[in-house]
Amino acid sequence: GQQLNQSPQSMFIQEGEDVSMNCTSSSIFNTWLWYKQDPGEGPVLLIALYKAGELTSNGRLTAQFGITRKDSFLNISASIPSDVGIYFCAGHTNAGKSTFGDGTTLTVKP
Amino acid sequence: ETGVTQTPRHLVMGMTNKKSLKCEQHLGHNAMYWYKQSAKKPLELMFVYSLEERVENNSVPSRFSPECPNSSHLFLHLHTLQPEDSALYLCASSQDLPGQPGNTIYFGEGSWLTVV
Repeated sequence: GQQLNQSPQSMFIQEGEDVSMNCTSSSIFNTWLWYKQDPGEGPVLLIALYKAGELTSNGRLTAQFGITRKDSFLNISASIPSDVGIYFCAGHTNAGKSTFGDGTTLTVKP
Repeated sequence: ETGVTQTPRHLVMGMTNKKSLKCEQHLGHNAMYWYKQSAKKPLELMFVYSLEERVENNSVPSRFSPECPNSSHLFLHLHTLQPEDSALYLCASSQDLPGQPGNTIYFGEGSWLTVV
């Protein structure tokens, strides 16, 4: 089955720094989604990408759908303490399968 | 508020109890899902329903029994669970099954289950 490699596994950064995380796969996806999960809550959708090469922003967040359709990255600019949480990528295939990455745990030090 | 509501948010049950988790989506979606999230493990897809029919069952033990009476409601019936079943159970929905253009999965807030 499809596997997503999400990296890094965890990040410890200073408030104000920029953050970058990515997901790669050997499989092709036709949709990439990025979620954030706060402790004790369900994942909340941040950005959805539907076309290869697409670059989409949501406030301080920017995500791109890789041109090969096998990868995606998420950038957070000027991080703030409330950015703390676990970030997940998810890929959907034409065959109707969805796969989630293992998550990137972000810690922001004030 | 994502439009997907789960109840209860927290549940403690004994190994001989029978309980149910409930999920309701107010988004007019056709597909609904149950995921399990254990500590320090990735999301595990348990069941997928499309238009009230089960389309995927990922080798889940029979002590977990899903029910989808209509496209807006999804239940997970729990019976004789084990302590290792303690986890966050997430319900989700999407307009159609993954793979359809423009499709996105939306999650509920989760039900924390503790089996004692």
